[in-house]
Amino acid sequence: NAGVTQTPKFQVLKTGQSMTLQCAQDMNHEYMSWYRQDPGMGLRLIHYSVGAGITDQGEVPNGYNVSRSTTEDFPLRLLSAAPSQTSVYFCASSPGTSSPLHFGNGTRLTVT
Amino acid sequence: GEDVEQSLFLSVREGDSSVINCTYTDSSSTYLYWYKQEPGAGLQLLTYIFSNMDMKQDQRLTVLLNKKDKHLSLRIADTQTGDSAIYFCAEKDTGNQFYFGTGTSLTVIP
Repeated sequence: NAGVTQTPKFQVLKTGQSMTLQCAQDMNHEYMSWYRQDPGMGLRLIHYSVGAGITDQGEVPNGYNVSRSTTEDFPLRLLSAAPSQTSVYFCASSPGTSSPLHFGNGTRLTVT
Repeated sequence: GEDVEQSLFLSVREGDSSVINCTYTDSSSTYLYWYKQEPGAGLQLLTYIFSNMDMKQDQRLTVLLNKKDKHLSLRIADTQTGDSAIYFCAEKDTGNQFYFGTGTSLTVIP
């Protein structure tokens, strides 16, 4: 059972480039979410989804897009990378309302 | 969003008890969680407590919840060097949204 899988583990982008961070879970979880982790700021919610075809914004959505075409996958797109998006990104999923989040191992993104 | 606050650093000697504290503002929290993050890894669920409980014990871990003061603590008995990590407090509100603290970096001194 792989759990939550994120790819890539590391990525370096130049300002203005675009890319997609991949997230997949094999636990049939309805809820999926993306967080960014910055020093001294904890985890901040970017976008989340409560099921296939449904997405919503979190606390810091600007500069990021998401889609949820299947239950398993929840990619995060950076349309035009900025240095302020240098961070560690975590994908997490949960089976339901009374359940905790299961996290992937993260993607460390550097924008120069 | 809701505020969840933790102190940033804690150092303890190996064998002592560690107590990591957390305060939150949302009085309608349903569940409160403790996660552990080791270097280069994701967050791993340690334990959680339902908001109508005062205490939960799981081996070396004891969670205390003071709902009146909105205060949550995690006590680790007989702290070992392998317990060195960042510990995050998190709460889930009635809208099923999670809010995380800034994390407390625990250093265990041999």
